Amino acid sequence: QSVLTQPPSASGTPGQRVTISCSGSSSNIGSNTVKWYQQLPGAAPKLLIFNNNQRPSGVPDRFSGSKSGTSASLAISGLQSEDEADYYCATWDDSLNALVLFGGGTKLTVL
Amino acid sequence: QVQLQESGPGLVKPSQTLSLTCTVSGASISNGGYHWTWIRQHPGKGLEWIGYIYYSGNTYYNPSLRSRVTISVDTSANQFSLKLTSVTAADTAVYYCARDREGRGGVPGWFDPWGQGTLVTVSS
Repeated sequence: QSVLTQPPSASGTPGQRVTISCSGSSSNIGSNTVKWYQQLPGAAPKLLIFNNNQRPSGVPDRFSGSKSGTSASLAISGLQSEDEADYYCATWDDSLNALVLFGGGTKLTVL
Repeated sequence: QVQLQESGPGLVKPSQTLSLTCTVSGASISNGGYHWTWIRQHPGKGLEWIGYIYYSGNTYYNPSLRSRVTISVDTSANQFSLKLTSVTAADTAVYYCARDREGRGGVPGWFDPWGQGTLVTVSS
């Protein structure tokens, strides 16, 4: 059971907008920035969003991130078949045993 | 562009030590501002952060693995390495190396890029 909670699955049809949530606490999301990673089938994860809402160069603006309090969200608009992947949120947790936390991952299916 | 490549044995016997190396190209480990990181993914599961090393040799490990993990750096070869002792079947995973952009206050920031990953199986 991950400290960062994501829904195990999400789905949408091409062109739709989907959101994936990531819920944490004051010691992680509440006090640190959130990153999102996309893992296509059989591939290594790839950085999608950093500092809550910033996109690395090359990431389409269909992908956007937001954070409010102890929760964060990844939104994908204009859903495409190639967006079918696993998505992970991540952040630093500065509790007594500080470490990097990943969410459990959300498998996005494009119907 | 910056590329990372993991290498090492794909099969390790229980109780032995897992050893992997990450070779970095397109950037020098000796340049500051980045941590060099290991992350693993158990088969069909999520991601687990193992720890990082700075070019100076400073390290920080996941508390749950700290007693068994050592990460070292060879700046002359532009490589960093992972050793995990006393392995069991629970250490079977795909191991990734990644560059971590140091965040505010020196904590880990974001991982980019990642190596392709290497599967290590613990079995007799």
